Amino acid sequence: DAMVIQNPRYQVTQFGKPVTLSCSQTLNHNVMYWYQQKSSQAPKLLFHYYDKDFNNEADTPDNFQSRRPNTSFCFLDIRSPGLGDAAMYLCATRDRLSSYEQYFGPGTRLTVT
Amino acid sequence: AQRVTQPEKLLSVFKGAPVELKCNYSYSGSPELFWYVQYSRQRLQLLLRHISRESIKGFTADLNKGETSFHLKKPFAQEEDSAMYYCALSNYVGGGFKTIFGAGTRLFVKA
Repeated sequence: DAMVIQNPRYQVTQFGKPVTLSCSQTLNHNVMYWYQQKSSQAPKLLFHYYDKDFNNEADTPDNFQSRRPNTSFCFLDIRSPGLGDAAMYLCATRDRLSSYEQYFGPGTRLTVT
Repeated sequence: AQRVTQPEKLLSVFKGAPVELKCNYSYSGSPELFWYVQYSRQRLQLLLRHISRESIKGFTADLNKGETSFHLKKPFAQEEDSAMYYCALSNYVGGGFKTIFGAGTRLFVKA
């Protein structure tokens, strides 16, 4: 089945140690999103890609970076994780032309020790 | 500022009872409104969107621009409806299509 895959599902990192979360999709969608969701809160958009065009939210900390080497893959890099970065990270895709619907991955739960 | 408010964090109803999950939004233009659902151990997925005016799994939602609301309703709740429900608003901003989510309402349907 075509889908959005996130690896790993659970990630533990140490305070200040860089970490990379990955997202891949078989839907061939040209838009990809990264959301951060903390406990009992709404998913919060960090940034998104329109093809290769990167769009950062104004309040996304500089500590968060992203890469999209090709249509299928997108990475979230946290350069120096703090305790406040512990959250669920959701990747989503959308077909720019045909649908408003976003297709979500299962998420990666990040723990910072 | 754009905002989506879901006033109830938890809603508990008995099976067969009507259910209404409230959603209010603030947006100056014409928004696209959605309800997403997340069942236990499953990913977030689209339930319905206002533009489709459809009923999915017995749920409907009507956009009320005067009250800026998009409440989700079902006349007879089922146990399998127990899940987390997110109201969401999408629009084009700065050339990009973005979605703002509410904080979600957990629906618990009791047998």
